[in-house]
This record gives sequence, C-alpha cells and structure tokens, in this order.
Amino acid sequence: KQEVTQIPAALSVPEGENLVLNCSFTDSAIYNLQWFRQDPGKGLTSLLLIQSSQREQTSGRLNASLDKSSGRSTLYIAASQPGDSATYLCAAARGSGNTPLVFGKGTRLSVIA
Amino acid sequence: DTAVSQTPKYLVTQMGNDKSIKCEQNLGHDTMYWYKQDSKKFLKIMFSYNNKELIINETVPNRFSPKSPDKAHLNLHINSLELGDSAVYFCASNPGLGNYNEQFFGPGTRLTVL
Repeated sequence: KQEVTQIPAALSVPEGENLVLNCSFTDSAIYNLQWFRQDPGKGLTSLLLIQSSQREQTSGRLNASLDKSSGRSTLYIAASQPGDSATYLCAAARGSGNTPLVFGKGTRLSVIA
Repeated sequence: DTAVSQTPKYLVTQMGNDKSIKCEQNLGHDTMYWYKQDSKKFLKIMFSYNNKELIINETVPNRFSPKSPDKAHLNLHINSLELGDSAVYFCASNPGLGNYNEQFFGPGTRLTVL
C-alpha cells in the first residue's frame, strides 16, 4: 500500500530564499507524481507532473525531481516570494490510467516579506 | 472557462439530512474522482469513475452514493448525514489513459453537518 510523506510539515523563510520541499513514497512502482498548491480555503492547483520515466520537470521558478529508486521527490522553489505562501501537496499515482492519487499531508510554506 | 466545477461551494445542514454535491468537467476527460479532505487537511480518495462506470470505491459507507449520468458529470449523494461527514469534498478528473495523467481538481465543496 502506497504511503506518501512530506517533510517538513511547515516551513517559514524570508523572501528571496531558495527552498526545497521533500516528498517520499513507500512504493517505488509509481506511474507519475504530481505536485499541487493549495491556498487557504481554496482548491488544488496542479504545479508539475513528473512521469515515471522522467527525472525532473521545470515550470518557471519551480523544479521538481523524481528518484524512484530512493522513493523521493523534491520541489525546488527559487527566489521565493510572499505570493508563494500556501500548502504544497505531493501525490503519487498508484498506476497508469484511471487510478487515484495518494496524497501526502502537505508542507505549509510561509514566505515572509 | 472553469475546467472542473462543483456546486454548491458551501453546504450547511443538520444531522440526518440527505444532500447532494454536483461536479462537471469540460475537459473531455474519461475519468472522474471524489476525494475527501478532512479537518486535518488530509486528502483521500473516495470513488473513481471511468466513462460512467464505477472503478474504485475506497470502503466508503454506503450512505455515500455517487452517480455519473454521463462522463462529464459525477454527482455525490449523501444520505443520513453524520457529524463526521463534515469535510471538504473535491471532485477531480483526468484523461484516464496513458502515463501523462495530470489530475485537475474542482474548487471543493465545504460540507458542515450540525
């Protein structure tokens, strides 16, 4: 049974810092891994999806990596801004096609101006 | 042009009532899901449907009955609401084929049972 863990649970950084959010999963036979952002009281916004055959994906200041053998993914945020403050969720797809995501409990990020 | 929409956004009701939440996606996806986010913000799958057919039911009480009239819609009906049903319910969809299966989520329905 897949379990996804995110560390740390909360993180506070000053504006401008580069930071890394960590995600680990127990079953390395994942098909893809998706990172989301959730603002308070809002829905989930998809940030990046990494397929099982990929090592990393980039979008703007965000870079996500995937190491299936070690069961880890990281989300790197460059030059953080107060607008990046949100909860970041990592989720692993248990299989291909129409299989649901298994979520971590998230990292709550605060970027202080 | 909302990709995945849900109604209502907020739902406050008394214990024992029956209520429904509606979800629609205009992405042409084959697969739709219901997830529940509890008070500790943990998201868990409840159901998944592919082309109107139930694929996964994650040991959800049978008071919860999803219905998919067509592949663009997935509704959730809840009978005899209990206090523990209070949560945010998210609908999601994805293409349902292949590895590139990015899931898109609706804005959520915050259900409060009094």
